Amino acid sequence: AQKITQTQPGMFVQEKEAVTLDCTYDTSDQSYGLFWYKQPSSGEMIFLIYQGSYDEQNATEGRYSLNFQKARKSANLVISASQLGDSAMYFCAMRGNTGNQFYFGTGTSLTVIP
Amino acid sequence: EPEVTQTPSHQVTQMGQEVILRCVPISNHLYFYWYRQILGQKVEFLVSFYNNEISEKSEIFDDQFSVERPDGSNFTLKIRSTKLEDSAMYFCASNPRTANTGELFFGEGSRLTVL
Repeated sequence: AQKITQTQPGMFVQEKEAVTLDCTYDTSDQSYGLFWYKQPSSGEMIFLIYQGSYDEQNATEGRYSLNFQKARKSANLVISASQLGDSAMYFCAMRGNTGNQFYFGTGTSLTVIP
Repeated sequence: EPEVTQTPSHQVTQMGQEVILRCVPISNHLYFYWYRQILGQKVEFLVSFYNNEISEKSEIFDDQFSVERPDGSNFTLKIRSTKLEDSAMYFCASNPRTANTGELFFGEGSRLTVL
Protein backbone atom coordinates (compact mmCIF):
# COMPACT_ATOMS: atom_id res chain seq x y z
CA ALA A 1 0.00 0.00 0.00
CA GLN A 2 1.06 3.55 -0.65
CA LYS A 3 1.12 6.17 2.04
CA ILE A 4 1.93 9.89 2.13
CA THR A 5 2.68 11.69 5.38
CA GLN A 6 2.77 15.42 5.92
CA THR A 7 3.60 16.14 9.54
CA GLN A 8 3.25 19.92 9.49
CA PRO A 9 -0.41 20.93 9.75
CA GLY A 10 0.52 24.61 9.66
CA MET A 11 3.57 26.67 8.78
CA PHE A 12 4.39 30.36 8.86
CA VAL A 13 7.04 32.12 6.82
CA GLN A 14 8.11 35.71 6.47
CA GLU A 15 7.61 37.24 3.07
CA LYS A 16 10.70 36.85 0.85
CA GLU A 17 12.07 34.03 2.99
CA ALA A 18 12.35 30.40 1.91
CA VAL A 19 10.24 27.65 3.45
CA THR A 20 10.37 23.86 3.35
CA LEU A 21 7.24 21.76 3.52
CA ASP A 22 7.86 18.17 4.54
CA CYS A 23 6.57 15.07 2.87
CA THR A 24 7.49 11.45 3.43
CA TYR A 25 6.11 8.49 1.59
CA ASP A 26 5.97 4.76 1.76
CA THR A 27 5.70 2.43 -1.18
CA SER A 28 6.92 -0.93 -2.33
CA ASP A 29 6.84 0.14 -5.97
CA GLN A 30 10.18 0.62 -7.67
CA SER A 31 8.83 3.23 -10.02
CA TYR A 32 6.64 6.04 -8.78
CA GLY A 33 5.94 9.72 -9.16
CA LEU A 34 5.74 12.42 -6.53
CA PHE A 35 3.67 15.57 -6.92
CA TRP A 36 2.92 18.75 -5.06
CA TYR A 37 -0.33 20.64 -5.38
CA LYS A 38 -1.37 24.03 -4.05
CA GLN A 39 -4.92 24.69 -2.92
CA PRO A 40 -5.69 28.38 -2.30
CA SER A 41 -8.74 29.45 -0.37
CA SER A 42 -10.75 29.47 -3.59
CA GLY A 43 -10.51 25.68 -3.54
CA GLU A 44 -8.99 24.67 -6.84
CA MET A 45 -6.07 22.24 -6.97
CA ILE A 46 -3.06 23.66 -8.76
CA PHE A 47 -0.21 21.40 -9.85
CA LEU A 48 3.19 22.73 -8.83
CA ILE A 49 5.94 20.21 -9.41
CA TYR A 50 6.68 16.58 -10.24
CA GLN A 51 9.56 14.25 -9.34
CA GLY A 52 10.02 10.80 -10.81
CA SER A 53 11.58 8.12 -8.69
CA TYR A 54 14.32 7.53 -11.25
CA ASP A 55 15.09 11.20 -11.76
CA GLU A 56 18.59 11.89 -10.51
CA GLN A 57 18.19 15.64 -10.39
CA ASN A 58 15.84 17.38 -8.01
CA ALA A 59 12.92 18.92 -9.86
CA THR A 60 12.65 22.68 -10.07
CA GLU A 61 9.85 24.91 -11.35
CA GLY A 62 10.50 28.58 -10.88
CA ARG A 63 10.47 29.31 -7.15
CA TYR A 64 9.51 25.72 -6.36
CA SER A 65 12.02 22.94 -5.93
CA LEU A 66 11.64 19.44 -4.67
CA ASN A 67 14.25 18.09 -2.29
CA PHE A 68 14.08 14.41 -3.17
CA GLN A 69 15.89 12.01 -0.86
CA LYS A 70 15.03 8.58 -2.13
CA ALA A 71 16.76 6.56 0.58
CA ARG A 72 14.87 8.49 3.24
CA LYS A 73 11.67 8.40 1.19
CA SER A 74 11.18 12.10 1.48
CA ALA A 75 10.07 14.66 -1.10
CA ASN A 76 10.09 18.03 0.56
CA LEU A 77 8.86 21.13 -1.26
CA VAL A 78 11.02 24.21 -1.02
CA ILE A 79 9.47 27.55 -1.86
CA SER A 80 12.03 30.31 -2.26
CA ALA A 81 11.34 34.03 -1.89
CA SER A 82 7.87 33.52 -0.44
CA GLN A 83 5.11 35.80 -1.61
CA LEU A 84 1.80 36.67 0.04
CA GLY A 85 0.05 34.75 -2.73
CA ASP A 86 1.78 31.58 -1.61
CA SER A 87 -0.54 31.40 1.41
CA ALA A 88 -2.52 28.23 0.77
CA MET A 89 -2.83 24.54 1.58
CA TYR A 90 -0.13 22.38 0.04
CA PHE A 91 -0.65 18.71 -0.67
CA CYS A 92 1.98 16.12 -1.41
CA ALA A 93 0.82 13.23 -3.58
CA MET A 94 2.22 10.03 -5.00
CA ARG A 95 1.36 7.68 -7.78
CA GLY A 96 2.86 4.23 -7.87
CA ASN A 97 3.40 1.88 -10.71
CA THR A 98 0.58 -0.42 -9.67
CA GLY A 99 -2.89 0.98 -10.02
CA ASN A 100 -4.05 4.37 -11.11
CA GLN A 101 -4.69 6.04 -7.82
CA PHE A 102 -2.94 9.18 -6.64
CA TYR A 103 -2.45 9.18 -2.88
CA PHE A 104 -2.57 12.49 -1.05
CA GLY A 105 -1.18 13.60 2.26
CA THR A 106 -3.21 15.53 4.80
CA GLY A 107 -1.78 18.83 3.66
CA THR A 108 0.15 21.72 5.18
CA SER A 109 -1.39 25.14 5.58
CA LEU A 110 1.18 27.80 4.73
CA THR A 111 0.75 31.39 5.83
CA VAL A 112 3.09 34.05 4.48
CA ILE A 113 3.50 36.96 6.85
CA PRO A 114 4.16 40.42 5.41
CA GLU B 1 -4.90 25.43 -22.56
CA PRO B 2 -7.19 22.43 -22.19
CA GLU B 3 -8.83 22.05 -18.82
CA VAL B 4 -11.18 19.84 -16.86
CA THR B 5 -14.56 21.46 -16.40
CA GLN B 6 -17.11 20.61 -13.74
CA THR B 7 -20.74 21.48 -13.25
CA PRO B 8 -22.39 22.60 -11.11
CA SER B 9 -19.94 24.63 -9.10
CA HIS B 10 -22.26 24.42 -6.10
CA GLN B 11 -25.30 22.28 -5.45
CA VAL B 12 -27.56 22.31 -2.43
CA THR B 13 -29.80 19.30 -1.94
CA GLN B 14 -32.06 17.79 0.65
CA MET B 15 -31.00 14.66 2.46
CA GLY B 16 -32.23 11.59 0.63
CA GLN B 17 -32.17 13.18 -2.80
CA GLU B 18 -30.04 12.04 -5.70
CA VAL B 19 -27.41 14.30 -7.24
CA ILE B 20 -25.40 14.06 -10.41
CA LEU B 21 -22.11 15.88 -10.71
CA ARG B 22 -20.79 16.37 -14.20
CA CYS B 23 -17.29 16.61 -15.55
CA VAL B 24 -15.73 17.05 -18.95
CA PRO B 25 -12.18 15.68 -18.78
CA ILE B 26 -9.42 16.77 -21.11
CA SER B 27 -10.20 15.16 -24.43
CA ASN B 28 -7.09 13.07 -25.06
CA HIS B 29 -6.75 11.84 -21.50
CA LEU B 30 -7.30 8.20 -20.72
CA TYR B 31 -7.89 8.04 -16.96
CA PHE B 32 -10.59 9.83 -15.08
CA TYR B 33 -11.04 10.23 -11.36
CA TRP B 34 -13.35 11.49 -8.70
CA TYR B 35 -11.91 12.74 -5.44
CA ARG B 36 -13.70 14.15 -2.44
CA GLN B 37 -12.58 16.73 0.10
CA ILE B 38 -14.65 17.32 3.18
CA LEU B 39 -14.15 20.92 4.31
CA GLY B 40 -10.69 21.42 5.76
CA GLN B 41 -9.71 17.80 5.40
CA LYS B 42 -7.60 15.67 3.10
CA VAL B 43 -8.29 14.87 -0.50
CA GLU B 44 -9.83 11.38 -0.61
CA PHE B 45 -9.85 9.07 -3.58
CA LEU B 46 -13.24 7.78 -4.65
CA VAL B 47 -12.86 6.08 -8.00
CA SER B 48 -10.81 5.85 -11.17
CA PHE B 49 -12.19 5.03 -14.58
CA TYR B 50 -10.42 3.73 -17.65
CA ASN B 51 -11.58 2.26 -20.90
CA ASN B 52 -15.22 2.75 -19.96
CA GLU B 53 -15.07 0.90 -16.71
CA ILE B 54 -14.08 1.39 -13.12
CA SER B 55 -10.43 0.48 -12.62
CA GLU B 56 -10.14 1.20 -8.90
CA LYS B 57 -12.43 2.34 -6.16
CA SER B 58 -12.04 3.15 -2.49
CA GLU B 59 -14.03 1.97 0.49
CA ILE B 60 -15.93 5.24 0.36
CA PHE B 61 -17.26 4.38 -3.08
CA ASP B 62 -20.03 2.06 -2.01
CA ASP B 63 -23.37 1.26 -3.63
CA GLN B 64 -24.51 4.81 -3.00
CA PHE B 65 -22.15 6.02 -5.71
CA SER B 66 -21.89 5.31 -9.40
CA VAL B 67 -19.99 6.73 -12.34
CA GLU B 68 -20.50 6.63 -16.04
CA ARG B 69 -19.27 8.14 -19.25
CA PRO B 70 -22.48 8.32 -21.19
CA ASP B 71 -21.37 10.01 -24.38
CA GLY B 72 -17.60 9.90 -24.72
CA SER B 73 -17.03 13.35 -23.30
CA ASN B 74 -18.95 13.71 -20.03
CA PHE B 75 -17.94 11.79 -16.92
CA THR B 76 -20.56 11.80 -14.21
CA LEU B 77 -20.71 10.94 -10.53
CA LYS B 78 -24.13 9.99 -9.22
CA ILE B 79 -24.79 10.01 -5.49
CA ARG B 80 -28.02 8.32 -4.50
CA SER B 81 -29.94 9.02 -1.32
CA THR B 82 -27.57 11.73 -0.12
CA LYS B 83 -26.60 11.96 3.53
CA LEU B 84 -25.42 14.92 5.55
CA GLU B 85 -21.89 13.52 5.57
CA ASP B 86 -21.78 13.60 1.77
CA SER B 87 -21.38 17.36 2.01
CA ALA B 88 -17.97 18.02 0.50
CA MET B 89 -16.11 19.37 -2.48
CA TYR B 90 -16.02 16.81 -5.26
CA PHE B 91 -13.14 17.05 -7.67
CA CYS B 92 -13.00 15.47 -11.08
CA ALA B 93 -9.55 14.88 -12.51
CA SER B 94 -8.01 13.35 -15.59
CA ASN B 95 -4.61 12.05 -16.54
CA PRO B 96 -3.07 11.10 -19.87
CA ARG B 97 -1.25 8.18 -18.20
CA THR B 98 1.30 6.44 -20.20
CA ALA B 99 3.48 5.79 -17.19
CA ASN B 100 3.47 7.08 -13.66
CA THR B 101 4.56 10.44 -14.94
CA GLY B 102 2.01 13.06 -15.70
CA GLU B 103 0.10 14.95 -13.10
CA LEU B 104 -3.58 14.86 -12.34
CA PHE B 105 -5.42 17.70 -13.98
CA PHE B 106 -8.16 18.80 -11.62
CA GLY B 107 -11.38 20.58 -12.31
CA GLU B 108 -12.39 23.46 -10.08
CA GLY B 109 -14.64 21.23 -8.02
CA SER B 110 -18.32 20.90 -7.31
CA ARG B 111 -19.34 21.84 -3.81
CA LEU B 112 -22.18 19.68 -2.55
CA THR B 113 -24.18 20.80 0.46
CA VAL B 114 -26.67 18.32 1.88
CA LEU B 115 -29.28 19.79 4.20
